[in-house]
Amino acid sequence: AQTVTQSQPEMSVQEAETVTLSCTYDTSESNYYLFWYKQPPSRQMILVIRQEAYKQQNATENRFSVNFQKAAKSFSLKISDSQLGDTAMYFCAFQNRDDKIIFGKGTRLHILP
Amino acid sequence: DTEVTQTPKHLVMGMTNKKSLKCEQHMGHRAMYWYKQKAKKPPELMFVYSYEKLSINESVPSRFSPECPNSSLLNLHLHALQPEDSALYLCASSQEAFSGNTIYFGEGSWLTVV
Repeated sequence: AQTVTQSQPEMSVQEAETVTLSCTYDTSESNYYLFWYKQPPSRQMILVIRQEAYKQQNATENRFSVNFQKAAKSFSLKISDSQLGDTAMYFCAFQNRDDKIIFGKGTRLHILP
Repeated sequence: DTEVTQTPKHLVMGMTNKKSLKCEQHMGHRAMYWYKQKAKKPPELMFVYSYEKLSINESVPSRFSPECPNSSLLNLHLHALQPEDSALYLCASSQEAFSGNTIYFGEGSWLTVV
């Protein structure tokens, strides 16, 4: 069975710092998708970044980037120049083709002024 | 328009009541989902509809009854709920199910069962 592990339940960083959230997953498949979703205190969950496993290039979206290590089954999220609005719960998620998405337990990130 | 709208935002119901949660999307997505989320936990999948047909039911108790009247609408009918069913219920949609497409979530409906 596929699993997604986020080893950091909670993190705090100062505004403008860089922070990295860890995520590892387990699968025997070679074709799959990885996601980071953000859920701020307002509760609407939104996609931060998406990675297709067959693409070796790491995905980036403005201040958000991932370090995708396929062999190590690792998919960490780096947030550069962190802002107060980045305070949220971050969920790493995994999806095999033709299967449902699986979420990790989440990392609660606090950006401190 | 990348919105999934859910109503009501808050609902309080007794254990003998019948109520419904509603969800709408106008992105032309063919997959729609219901998730249940408890505080500080990830969303738990309840149901998946693909092309208006129920594709996945994650062994959800029959007191939850989903309905997909058309490709834009998704309802969740609630009857004889228990206090432990109190949670945030999230509706979501994606272009296709099980294809690695981005899932778009609504703001959720806070349900309290008394």
